[in-house]
Amino acid sequence: GESVGLHLPTLSVQEGDNSIINCAYSNSASDYFIWYKQESGKGPQFIIDIRSNMDKRQGQRVTVLLNKTVKHLSLQIAATQPGDSAVYFCAEKTGTASKLTFGTGTRLQVML
Amino acid sequence: DGGITQSPKYLFRKEGQNVTLSCEQNLNHDAMYWYRQDPGQGLRLIYYSQIVNDFQKGDIAEGYSVSREKKESFPLTVTSAQKNPTAFYLCASSKRLAGVKYNEQFFGPGTRLTVL
Repeated sequence: GESVGLHLPTLSVQEGDNSIINCAYSNSASDYFIWYKQESGKGPQFIIDIRSNMDKRQGQRVTVLLNKTVKHLSLQIAATQPGDSAVYFCAEKTGTASKLTFGTGTRLQVML
Repeated sequence: DGGITQSPKYLFRKEGQNVTLSCEQNLNHDAMYWYRQDPGQGLRLIYYSQIVNDFQKGDIAEGYSVSREKKESFPLTVTSAQKNPTAFYLCASSKRLAGVKYNEQFFGPGTRLTVL
């Protein structure tokens, strides 16, 4: 059978509705987080970042919320549009460590 | 895709052959990275470089090699020792690395390698 890894969690939303994509990060010492958007066959694009001294950060139509107590990150997209359809990854970084650690991603499908 | 170019977009090779993937950036970034992405999975770090003529292994370096002779370029060679080379390869860069907490990475468009 197919590997479980081939099946990304999928969030389906109606055009115009708000989307909430969740991410559980792994390291309680992580202090910098980034959300990336990846369209099919393309490289990831930076959406928004947040530092651990913040709980919330807003961009254009997007908001990132950070709950350090439960190691949870969420990305909220307001008034979701068809162009928002993509896979969304969260990434975490710890202190001055050299690398980002990426989650497995969530696929967002926008229904017309 | 910013100022990072990867070529070619699609690459086919026979099993047992080495192949080199190109990555060039004109962002004047010091640090560069190579990631591998398999279907439905996140990105895994292969190698990274903080400065010219220096590079470090990532989480899955076996079967790969890199060089960093110029600041703008960070080619990745997939050797015949890599057991499952078919994947989507992504190159990234960032402004600085050492001692910096908050530095986003910018990604190239990727190269899809298929080994037949």
